[in-house]
Amino acid sequence: RKEVEQDPGPFNVPEGATVAFNCTYSNSASQSFFWYRQDCRKEPKLLMSVYSSGNEDGRFTAQLNRASQYISLLIRDSKLSDSATYLCVVNGYAGNNRKLIWGLGTSLAVNP
Amino acid sequence: GAGVSQSPRYKVAKRGQDVALRCDPISGHVSLFWYQQALGQGPEFLTYFQNEAQLDKSGLPSDRFFAERPEGSVSTLKIQRTQQEDSAVYLCASRRPEQGSYNEQFFGPGTRLTVL
Repeated sequence: RKEVEQDPGPFNVPEGATVAFNCTYSNSASQSFFWYRQDCRKEPKLLMSVYSSGNEDGRFTAQLNRASQYISLLIRDSKLSDSATYLCVVNGYAGNNRKLIWGLGTSLAVNP
Repeated sequence: GAGVSQSPRYKVAKRGQDVALRCDPISGHVSLFWYQQALGQGPEFLTYFQNEAQLDKSGLPSDRFFAERPEGSVSTLKIQRTQQEDSAVYLCASRRPEQGSYNEQFFGPGTRLTVL
């Protein structure tokens, strides 16, 4: 079993739709969690960190469920520009983020 | 510079050739990471430096892979006797000194290596 698992998709949604991605992780000692966005042939860029209490940034909401060891990302009112791959990232050691473990990414295509 | 830079952006090598990939991190970032990203995959950790010290090289796939950061700034990833399975995008990331739990890694554009 991979340490970080995501549904690769692709998710095809119309503009304005709400879409949710889930990610599961295997190391219960993980402390830090992130969603990165990667556009085609570009480098990954941090979208948002995921905090225990859940956090929101505009149309994006991230949540963490430690008991079930999963992280979610919700995108509301999706835009064409949201089309990208969304990578779930978990740190490899408790309290030590130096080795980030990456999921394969979930591909999102927002259609007009 | 404003961001992490990598060179070359593209490299085509014949099988068996040695290659060297360069990374210039953001000034002041003490942590530097190398990742390998194959097509359709997420980045896979290769190695990590804190200043000039290589603290973790557990992700290097074989002894053909070697990384260095002699002055704690620029880093070079060297691959000897390249094989076709080495074809991937090699990403470099740097991170500023940790402040609390903030630990974003900033990525360079990557070097796309194709081994023929």
